[in-house]
Amino acid sequence: KQEVTQIPAALSVPEGENLVLNCSFTDSAIYNLQWFRQDPGKGLTSLLLIQSSQREQTSGRLNASLDKSSGRSTLYIAASQPGDSATYLCAVRLSGNTPLVFGKGTRLSVIA
Amino acid sequence: NAGVTQTPKFRVLKTGQSMTLLCAQDMNHEYMYWYRQDPGMGLRLIHYSVGEGTTAKGEVPDGYNVSRLKKQNFLLGLESAAPSQTSVYFCASSYAGSSIYGYTFGSGTRLTVV
Repeated sequence: KQEVTQIPAALSVPEGENLVLNCSFTDSAIYNLQWFRQDPGKGLTSLLLIQSSQREQTSGRLNASLDKSSGRSTLYIAASQPGDSATYLCAVRLSGNTPLVFGKGTRLSVIA
Repeated sequence: NAGVTQTPKFRVLKTGQSMTLLCAQDMNHEYMYWYRQDPGMGLRLIHYSVGEGTTAKGEVPDGYNVSRLKKQNFLLGLESAAPSQTSVYFCASSYAGSSIYGYTFGSGTRLTVV
C-alpha cells in the first residue's frame, strides 16, 4: 500500500526566505506526483505535476523535484510571501487508473 | 468554464437522516472521485469511478454509496448519517490514463451530523 509522508507538518518562516517542503512515498514505481495548495476552508488547487519520467517542474517561484529511486519529492518556494501561507499537499499515483494517495500536508505560515 | 462543481456547500443533518451530495464536471473527464478530509487524517478516498456506470471502493467506503449514471455527474449518498461522517467532502475528476494531466477538485461540501 502506497503511503505518503510530508515533513514538517507545520512551518513558519519570515517573508523573503527560500524554503523547501518535503514529501516521501513508499512505492517508488509511481505514475505521477502532484503538489496542491489548500487555503483555509477552501478546495485544493493544483500547483505542479511531475510525470514519472521527469526530474522537476517549475512554475514561477515554485520548483518541484522528483527522485523516484529514493522515494522523495521536494517543493521549493523562492522568496516566500505572506500570500504563500497555506497548506501544501503532496499526492502520488501508481498507475493511470489508480487514484491519488495524499500526504497529510505541510501548513506553511509566512510572516511579514 | 465551471470545472468541478459540488452541491450543496454546507449541510447539517440529524443522525439517521439521508442525503445526496452532487458532483458535476464539464471537462469530459472519465474518472471521478470522492474524498473526505478530517483534521489530522488528510484526504481519504471514499469511492471512485473510472467511467459511466462503474464505481469502486476506496479506503473508507463504509456508510456511503455512489452512482455514476452520467459521465459528468458523480453522486455520493449517505443512507443513515452518523456523527462520524461529519467531515469536509471533496469531489475530483481526471482524464483516463494520462500522466500529463492531474486532478481537478471541487470546492468542497462541509457536512455536520448532529
